Amino acid sequence: QQPVQSPQAVILREGEDAVINCSSSKALYSVHWYRQKHGEAPVFLMILLKGGEQKGHEKISASFNEKKQQSSLYLTASQLSYSGTYFCGTERSSGGSNYKLTFGKGTLLTVNP
Amino acid sequence: DVKVTQSSRYLVKRTGEKVFLECVQDMDHENMFWYRQDPGLGLRLIYFSYDVKMKEKGDIPEGYSVSREKKERFSLILESASTNQTSMYLCASSLVGRLHEQYFGPGTRLTVT
Repeated sequence: QQPVQSPQAVILREGEDAVINCSSSKALYSVHWYRQKHGEAPVFLMILLKGGEQKGHEKISASFNEKKQQSSLYLTASQLSYSGTYFCGTERSSGGSNYKLTFGKGTLLTVNP
Repeated sequence: DVKVTQSSRYLVKRTGEKVFLECVQDMDHENMFWYRQDPGLGLRLIYFSYDVKMKEKGDIPEGYSVSREKKERFSLILESASTNQTSMYLCASSLVGRLHEQYFGPGTRLTVT
């Protein structure tokens, strides 16, 4: 079952902040965040494992609330280079040590000058 | 520098043709994945493989098969292409186990006419 991302799209001016949410109806073991720029492959940003854990990547950070089964991605002081589609992926076991991701539908972020 | 390559960036095939999409990774990763990406639907897992000759169905395996004869190569096969298989196909690889990021190839845009 796909996690639900919100909002579907957001437009910012350079320097503004944004939050992208990812929620699941099933228990989350971990959440992956990826960014895909137009015409390019998705690129890994970060993994969050523990409940409440926050991680950072440049001025992009994220939190993971295990109880609420959701994760949020925070983009502060956005730059033009942040434009792209952001995907969250939730991890589920495939048996043994095999895991696979289920991705959300994505959030299109556009940063304008 | 890690690399996942896909045999074609663009491919046009006719309905009913057998189509092979090839993916090669040079990172000695155990896991390899095939996704399709459609507007508004995000990334959906078709098949994945956690070892040579091992495969597992993803969320949308119907109409597809896969082959993994060597660790570095993972092929997606459309036995009889149909127009609803027109899509962007992305290959990815990762180390086995949890908490490892996936590395994506550039994608193959397949059009079935």
